Amino acid sequence: DAKTTQPNSMESNEEEPVHLPCNHSTISGTDYIHWYRQLPSQGPEYVIHGLTSNVNNRMASLAIAEDRKSSTLILHRATLRDAAVYYCILLNSGGSNYKLTFGKGTLLTVNP
Amino acid sequence: EPEVTQTPSHQVTQMGQEVILRCVPISNHLYFYWYRQILGQKVEFLVSFYNNEISEKSEIFDDQFSVERPDGSNFTLKIRSTKLEDSAMYFCASNEGRISGANVLTFGAGSRLTVL
Repeated sequence: DAKTTQPNSMESNEEEPVHLPCNHSTISGTDYIHWYRQLPSQGPEYVIHGLTSNVNNRMASLAIAEDRKSSTLILHRATLRDAAVYYCILLNSGGSNYKLTFGKGTLLTVNP
Repeated sequence: EPEVTQTPSHQVTQMGQEVILRCVPISNHLYFYWYRQILGQKVEFLVSFYNNEISEKSEIFDDQFSVERPDGSNFTLKIRSTKLEDSAMYFCASNEGRISGANVLTFGAGSRLTVL
């Protein structure tokens, strides 16, 4: 599986935007970029995914670099409920299994 | 919104005992997974299941583990003889199984297993 690199932790203030970076310099042309998060004492939760173009949904935005070697998950207005571990994961469209391989992720702390 | 349901939420067992963790995946999903997370560590893949058979398993998923889809709705993980190191959160997940890297996994809330 292609690897991703994320900062161990980040801190934000409530109601401010948060930009969570992810490097994936060995990404292949058929790898989708997925973001999941894990709130305290809960299971992982899907946030957003993309292939080449930037994506928006009700939870977040995903900005993908033109060369696709990095991406940024954007939370437009952080809330206390967004405090979680955020995982950036590559998922290959050529696979038949679609299992996710989790790294350590980024622990996001949101200050009131 | 459809959910993956797991039971029990917490189970305490003695070392050497058999444990069965149960999951009800989302009804139209075709791929099923078990993951585990030891306290303070990463979420680790255990096994995936498709078309009534294991499609992939990790090194963790040894002979002490088994999975089954006994009916049209449940997906179970059995640990035959639990060890202290099996203490962890176990997460079930499912996805639609479309042939695409855009597949999204939906996870359950987890079952906490404590082995004494």
